[in-house]
Amino acid sequence: GESVGLHLPTLSVQEGDNSIINCAYSNSASDYFIWYKQESGKGPQFIIDIRSNMDKRQGQRVTVLLNKTVKHLSLQIAATQPGDSAVYFCAENIYGNKLVFGAGTILRVKS
Amino acid sequence: EPEVTQTPSHQVTQMGQEVILRCVPISNHLYFYWYRQILGQKVEFLVSFYNNEISEKSEIFDDQFSVERPDGSNFTLKIRSTKLEDSAMYFCASSLGTGYSYEQYFGPGTRLTVT
Repeated sequence: GESVGLHLPTLSVQEGDNSIINCAYSNSASDYFIWYKQESGKGPQFIIDIRSNMDKRQGQRVTVLLNKTVKHLSLQIAATQPGDSAVYFCAENIYGNKLVFGAGTILRVKS
Repeated sequence: EPEVTQTPSHQVTQMGQEVILRCVPISNHLYFYWYRQILGQKVEFLVSFYNNEISEKSEIFDDQFSVERPDGSNFTLKIRSTKLEDSAMYFCASSLGTGYSYEQYFGPGTRLTVT
């Protein structure tokens, strides 16, 4: 069946450190994967996506890694800032335009 | 920067009543979506809409739900007879296309409380 889940529900990091948020998915047919950030009272905000035929993609301060062998996705945030505090969701697109979201990880940045 | 807007931000209704949640997608987008998020849970897909018809819907989107694009700018979600378990945040999203690199832009959500 379809399921996307997260290993760690809450992650606390010191400002300036790097953050790594992990996600496991179960559907080998997923076409691409997306990381979203959700701040309190707001809708999900796109961070970065990666196609299933890639294993790494970099953005500004963020890197997404995809390991299809173990069906694992991670989001790395470099030099984490207080403004990065939010809930982070991974999502997968299996076919069409439906997104299947994971459970979410809370990132807390300590100053 | 263009954004998806939703109204109202919070809707309180009694069980059995009809509600209409409204969304204004980004103006040149062609694909529209509704998702919901029960408090503390993950975001769940409800329905996608393209070319004035539903392109995909989830098991949650039963006969009590309907969507409409009544004019060139609004996209609505109607729940005919609300149940307590319909209480959730409802997010509208839109995209220019589908597939990789076509980002779905989400609105701020409408919090629906059914009493």
